[in-house]
Amino acid sequence: DAKTTQPPSMDCAEGRAANLPCNHSTISGNEYVYWYRQIHSQGPQYIIHGLKNNETNEMASLIITEDRKSSTLILPHATLRDTAVYYCIVDSNTGNQFYFGTGTSLTVIP
Amino acid sequence: DAGITQSPRHKVTETGTPVTLRCHQTENHRYMYWYRQDPGHGLRLIHYSYGVKDTDKGEVSDGYSVSRSKTEDFLLTLESATSSQTSVYFCAIRDTYNEQFFGPGTRLTVL
Repeated sequence: DAKTTQPPSMDCAEGRAANLPCNHSTISGNEYVYWYRQIHSQGPQYIIHGLKNNETNEMASLIITEDRKSSTLILPHATLRDTAVYYCIVDSNTGNQFYFGTGTSLTVIP
Repeated sequence: DAGITQSPRHKVTETGTPVTLRCHQTENHRYMYWYRQDPGHGLRLIHYSYGVKDTDKGEVSDGYSVSRSKTEDFLLTLESATSSQTSVYFCAIRDTYNEQFFGPGTRLTVL
């Protein structure tokens, strides 16, 4: 079963920051937080991951709370092409499966 | 796309027939995965492989078998397809940074 809880849907105005929350209250000390997105019927695309420090790359920022029980993915300037389903996943990098859950469907509105 | 291809991309078959889906990678990654995705669900793992001839079951493995005789190919077989196996199937690899990269998917319809 998925170890994360995400809102089923969100809207964001084009050009504004999109903040996608994820709850992972049962996360273990060795588990990372991963974010993926899936645009329409394409394969999921890796966005970012982190352990306990905040992370930033060219696509997004990941903010992890100090107790690691929740995190937020930030798309700083959302565009229409960011409309997708966003999945938050916790994984210990043991090589076993990712549990995807149902994700958050983000709609960027013009 | 990490050099991942899937074939076929689309297939329609009849109940009871065998079906084999192929995943091919060009970068010699050790770990490969097969997922299925159905409406209202995220991706669910069917089987995965951690090396040539080394495979293990995932969350929804019943009715599926896999084989990996070469590093670059991971085959998913439905021995006798059923309508409940109508789905979109995604293959993935895991790179040295523990990121998973996914193929374009295979849409399978079992009539």
